[in-house]
Amino acid sequence: EAGVAQSPRYKIIEKRQSVAFWCNPISGHATLYWYQQILGQGPKLLIQFQNNGVVDDSQLPKDRFSAERLKGVDSTLKIQPAKLEDSAVYLCASSPVYSPNTGELFFGEGSRLTVL
Amino acid sequence: GQQLNQSPQSMFIQEGEDVSMNCTSSSIFNTWLWYKQDPGEGPVLLIALYKAGELTSNGRLTAQFGITRKDSFLNISASIPSDVGIYFCAGPRFMDSNYQLIWGAGTKLIIKP
Repeated sequence: EAGVAQSPRYKIIEKRQSVAFWCNPISGHATLYWYQQILGQGPKLLIQFQNNGVVDDSQLPKDRFSAERLKGVDSTLKIQPAKLEDSAVYLCASSPVYSPNTGELFFGEGSRLTVL
Repeated sequence: GQQLNQSPQSMFIQEGEDVSMNCTSSSIFNTWLWYKQDPGEGPVLLIALYKAGELTSNGRLTAQFGITRKDSFLNISASIPSDVGIYFCAGPRFMDSNYQLIWGAGTKLIIKP
């Protein structure tokens, strides 16, 4: 079974530029998450989708971050304009619809963003 | 806010040593999860605990769900080089009509050559 796919693996941009990350979850997983992981910290949830609907985006900085999951499968996370403090690894994860309260998430390898 | 406090922050050990780390919270959790993150990878679930007092093993790893439901422990016996990485505890909390995973800051395990 293929895992969660993310791209690009690495991205370097200057502040005020824009960037987009793509995620393809495990086939059949209804729930998709985007996390931000700053060096030395645990993952922080940015947004959670159930199929193509947003379940939780309370920690998403909506003035610069946006995410969509139009057909309930793959998803895109965009940052525009980027700030220095956005330098982090952006992790995508998915889970079967029945497991959100058990917390078993399947993560991709992450996209490492460096903002100069 | 709700936090999970992990200790130690990092550990430097010799290959073959046993490792112990813990995770504490001021709030009760009904599920405790231990994830491991290898360098350049996403976290992978190691052990899930669902009942207070539960002791669960996965190979050389053993985790316990504290009786108070406010802590959990992870032990690794006879460490090997591939145990290097960051170990996170996490627990789901029901907030705003949805379960959210609360994460600790991690314990970084380094094995001295």
